Amino acid sequence: EIVLTQSPGTLSLSPGERATLSCRASQSVSSSYLAWYQQKPGQAPRLLIYGASSRATGIPDRFSGSGSGTDFTLTISRLEPEDFAVYYCQQYGSSPRGTFGQGTKVEIK
Amino acid sequence: QVQLVESGGGLVKPGGSLRLSCAASGFTFSDYYMSWIRQAPGKGLEWVSYISSSGSTIYYADSVKGRFTISRDNAKNSLYLQMNSLRAEDTAVYYCARDSTKGYFQHWGQGTLVTVSS
Repeated sequence: EIVLTQSPGTLSLSPGERATLSCRASQSVSSSYLAWYQQKPGQAPRLLIYGASSRATGIPDRFSGSGSGTDFTLTISRLEPEDFAVYYCQQYGSSPRGTFGQGTKVEIK
Repeated sequence: QVQLVESGGGLVKPGGSLRLSCAASGFTFSDYYMSWIRQAPGKGLEWVSYISSSGSTIYYADSVKGRFTISRDNAKNSLYLQMNSLRAEDTAVYYCARDSTKGYFQHWGQGTLVTVSS
């Protein structure tokens, strides 16, 4: 099983700052099958990025994904108040539906 | 717009059973794979099961294999999860999600809480 390790566990930033979230896989993720989700308290997760770098429908362009192999990054270029949430990565290159990381919380500093 | 509404959660004793339902609307349900994903209180996400659009292909996580059964009724635009032999560690919010067929989850319901406790 591919284990995903997200870092940092918590990121304390101010609105307007840049956020860089890391997701590292224990083995190479095939075909960059890596997704990112945002979850706010009491809400369901929302798909942000799939295929490591493709934004889902309706996702603002301040969200971007990059990486390949074992190292992936989610970048939020300028944090808006609504972006403070928990972010999960998921690899779906290994059957049947892959695994999730443990999450990174982006909190207001 | 895509809507997924789960129901059927509640409090059940260890060893008991529960059936979750997910009502889908806003898209052609019979065209899409569907999944159940769960989240224990204060914890991360765990994929539970998926079913192909026709229902012919089904997979389960090892943690629920042999105890949970996924099914769907395309005529009713509904997804189900029959959960038997429930354990305390099955306590979680259960989400249904529209599956991309590649393996990521495009849309999620709001979730239903299952609590297994004596």
